[in-house]
Amino acid sequence: DTGVSQDPRHKITKRGQNVTFRCDPISEHNRLYWYRQTLGQGPEFLTYFQNEAQLEKSRLLSDRFSAERPKGSFSTLEIQRTEQGDSAMYLCASSLRAKGFTDTQYFGPGTRLTVL
Amino acid sequence: GDSVTQMEGPVTLSEEAFLTINCTYTATGYPSLFWYVQYPGEGLQLLLKATKADDKGSNKGFEATYRKETTSFHLEKGSVQVSDSAVYFCALSDAGGYNKLIFGAGTRLAVHP
Repeated sequence: DTGVSQDPRHKITKRGQNVTFRCDPISEHNRLYWYRQTLGQGPEFLTYFQNEAQLEKSRLLSDRFSAERPKGSFSTLEIQRTEQGDSAMYLCASSLRAKGFTDTQYFGPGTRLTVL
Repeated sequence: GDSVTQMEGPVTLSEEAFLTINCTYTATGYPSLFWYVQYPGEGLQLLLKATKADDKGSNKGFEATYRKETTSFHLEKGSVQVSDSAVYFCALSDAGGYNKLIFGAGTRLAVHP
C-alpha cells in the first residue's frame, strides 16, 4: 500500500494559464475524490468518481475546471484560464466501496497552486 | 445542507493537559463522523471515526463518541504531548450514497513542554 500520490506537489503559474494536476489513488480503490483547501479552512468537496464515472460535481467547480478518470485508475484535474482566486491546496482522496463496508477516505499530500 | 461546526482555535495547552475540541453537526439522515489530523507539512490523516449513534472511535489515546441526541462528536485526550500539535478537522460523510466529506474549519492545537 503506497498511499495516494499527487503530482506536482507545488505549481506556480501566471493568471490565464492552464494547469493540470494528477492523482494516483490507492490501488483497487474504486472511488476517487477531489477537494480544495484554502488557508485556514477545511477542505471543500469538488467532485467524485466511482471507477471512471464522474458522479457528482460541486457548484464550486466552474466551467473552467474539468476532471477525468479515464480508466478508473489515476485522475487528472485541469484548470483553464487560471485566476488568482484559484490559489489553494488541491487534495485528492480515494476509498473502497464494497457491500457492507463503510469506506474511509485516504488523502494524498496535495498540490499547492499559486496563481500570480 | 449538511454542515460541521468546530470550536475556534488556536487551543494552547501544556504537556499532559486534558484536551477537548468541540464538534457539532447538522445533517439529514445518519452520517458517519470522522476526525482527521494535519501535522505541520503533512497531508490529512484519519485519526478516528464512528459510523452510528453511541459508537466510540479511538486511536492514539484520542476518543470521540457519536452523540445523536446532541448532534456532537467531541474529540478528547487525557494527556496531550508536544507531538500532538497539529490542526484537527471534524468531518461528516453524507448519507446520500456518495459519501463526500463535509469538513469543519479546523482547530489548531499547540502543546508546549
